[in-house]
Amino acid sequence: GAVVSQHPSRVICKSGTSVKIECRSLDFQATTMFWYRQFPKQSLMLMATSNEGSKATYEQGVEKDKFLINHASLTLSTLTVTSAHPEDSSFYICSAARGAGGSRDEQFFGPGTRLTVL
Amino acid sequence: GENVEQHPSTLSVQEGDSAVIKCTYSDSASNYFPWYKQELGKGPQLIIDIRSNVGEKKDQRIAVTLNKTAKHFSLHITETQPEDSAVYFCAASSSFGNEKLTFGTGTRLTIIP
Repeated sequence: GAVVSQHPSRVICKSGTSVKIECRSLDFQATTMFWYRQFPKQSLMLMATSNEGSKATYEQGVEKDKFLINHASLTLSTLTVTSAHPEDSSFYICSAARGAGGSRDEQFFGPGTRLTVL
Repeated sequence: GENVEQHPSTLSVQEGDSAVIKCTYSDSASNYFPWYKQELGKGPQLIIDIRSNVGEKKDQRIAVTLNKTAKHFSLHITETQPEDSAVYFCAASSSFGNEKLTFGTGTRLTIIP
């Protein structure tokens, strides 16, 4: 159990376009989902935390108008990179937490989405 | 906020030998410490975790130790195999109203056949 999927796995787009990435918890309900960005040979940096039905909480330095997050249901969160530029090229990873009982802090990660902006 | 330091950044170990990766954290309120394995082009995979109410946890060839007083925790892999080669990340979080994970900088482990 505790499987998280992401779609697409890889996307290449032109500068100025918007890209949507989906994150789904396949076999559990995720009260909280997290979005991370990882540059080559670096650690995961948290971008934002989203709770179902409420606005996302963004980390310092992350532009909320550029990285739109929607957590419409307990199994789906989306990240939209608006007006993407080459510097947005990165590996985007989501994770999901059950948010119940003693394992509320346990996060399950998706396989990641490689975004390349030309 | 929480700060997690991880050492070493790279580690090469002969197949069959043990590997140890160490992390320190700064926030005494942190009480959950997971370890993740990340293979190239993939998302992190949880391999073991420990909570602050225990000092050691073991799962086959993998063990984690926690010293709350010194605020450090370590990953131990015994009888290493080539498939253990990957990047390993430690992390820390506090369950008290904030489940955010703060990650270490990662250790690239290479198992030499």
